[in-house]
Amino acid sequence: GQSLEQPSEVTAVEGAIVQINCTYQTSGFYGLSWYQQHDGGAPTFLSYNALDGLEETGRFSSFLSRSDSYGYLLLQELQMKDSASYFCASSGYSTLTFGKGTMLLVSP
Amino acid sequence: NAGVTQTPKFQVLKTGQSMTLQCAQDMNHEYMSWYRQDPGMGLRLIHYSVGAGITDQGEVPNGYNVSRSTTEDFPLRLLSAAPSQTSVYFCASSYSDGTAYEQYFGPGTRLTVT
Repeated sequence: GQSLEQPSEVTAVEGAIVQINCTYQTSGFYGLSWYQQHDGGAPTFLSYNALDGLEETGRFSSFLSRSDSYGYLLLQELQMKDSASYFCASSGYSTLTFGKGTMLLVSP
Repeated sequence: NAGVTQTPKFQVLKTGQSMTLQCAQDMNHEYMSWYRQDPGMGLRLIHYSVGAGITDQGEVPNGYNVSRSTTEDFPLRLLSAAPSQTSVYFCASSYSDGTAYEQYFGPGTRLTVT
């Protein structure tokens, strides 16, 4: 089976840095994706790590350690619009398995 | 480009009724998929397709049928609706490189079964 664990909720203030962790137990693992979803809207792709290390895309960075079955999403210079749910998802052959999501609440 | 479109946006069904959720994409993606999202459960894969004429089951396929006669369309059929199928349904598409790591999602269909 496939399972991913991430915290259910994280809170932070504007301008701060927040890290959302994800641990996974999956077979046929190709890589780890991250998605953002605002208030029940369509999930949108943020980043993907196929190899160990850090990938940076603007204010967002994502990290993967295959040996630890662990990854994280780092959000810097938090803005109010970053309040959303964030999902990690493991990529296998032609399938994507999602974690249950982390709700990020950014306060002024 | 419209991206991924889904119809209807909202639907209420009675137990035992059948219906088809429509999904279309105009990005010429080979890969398409259907997910359901329930509160606190993340997105769970129902069915997916790696190209026209090819479909496969995901994590929660029971009670749903799919077909893929064209690259653009991937309808999801509920055979006999049950209250447990009350959910938000998302269709997604992707380039097919075997990983499906970057998927483009439609706006969703909110289904209530009474």
